[in-house]
Amino acid sequence: ETGVTQTPRHLVMGMTNKKSLKCEQHLGHNAMYWYKQSAKKPLELMFVYNFKEQTENNSVPSRFSPECPNSSHLFLHLHTLQPEDSALYLCASSQELGSGDYEQYFGPGTRLTVT
Amino acid sequence: GENVEQHPSTLSVQEGDSAVIKCTYSDSASNYFPWYKQELGKRPQLIIDIRSNVGEKKDQRIAVTLNKTAKHFSLHITETQPEDSAVYFCAEGGVLDTGRRALTFGSGTRLQVQP
Repeated sequence: ETGVTQTPRHLVMGMTNKKSLKCEQHLGHNAMYWYKQSAKKPLELMFVYNFKEQTENNSVPSRFSPECPNSSHLFLHLHTLQPEDSALYLCASSQELGSGDYEQYFGPGTRLTVT
Repeated sequence: GENVEQHPSTLSVQEGDSAVIKCTYSDSASNYFPWYKQELGKRPQLIIDIRSNVGEKKDQRIAVTLNKTAKHFSLHITETQPEDSAVYFCAEGGVLDTGRRALTFGSGTRLQVQP
């Protein structure tokens, strides 16, 4: 599959579970992002990685832990989540050119339900 | 800090009519303004973008206008078709509070084109 892929596509977890979301981009981009999409905040930026370095943590609770081992892979580790964390988690990538104009390519998302 | 307001939140038009969605932003340093379309159950995808050195850009039935003085930009869809039904997000490429560059998205507009 080309572009940006995410696994799993659906995840149901209890509040005491630990799980991880995976994102992979096949576009040769140098920046990757995690977004949370819910009815309350349609596209809420969580984390930004540029050249594997985390450049942004948008006041996200510590129960969400990102990991970017290389420029093609991005993980979101989840532990002790709350029901209000149920949402669609979207990964995106872009090629940052330093000028601020960069198209973001989104993955299909992981639909997370916390019970 | 960055802030993007988008209106209306929902919009219903008859097939063949025009649709206009408006966004305002606060960061005068912003220089990139993309629009994304998200169909039901699918990922957001870029449909058109505009940079701060132009005032208008058109691509077939869609156009975007930018007024940097007033800090607002708009998406115009002419001759709407049922397949235009989706959620549309505006965004600005500017500088976040941390000094890093990233896209900030509006809250989305749900467009329904009635056949």
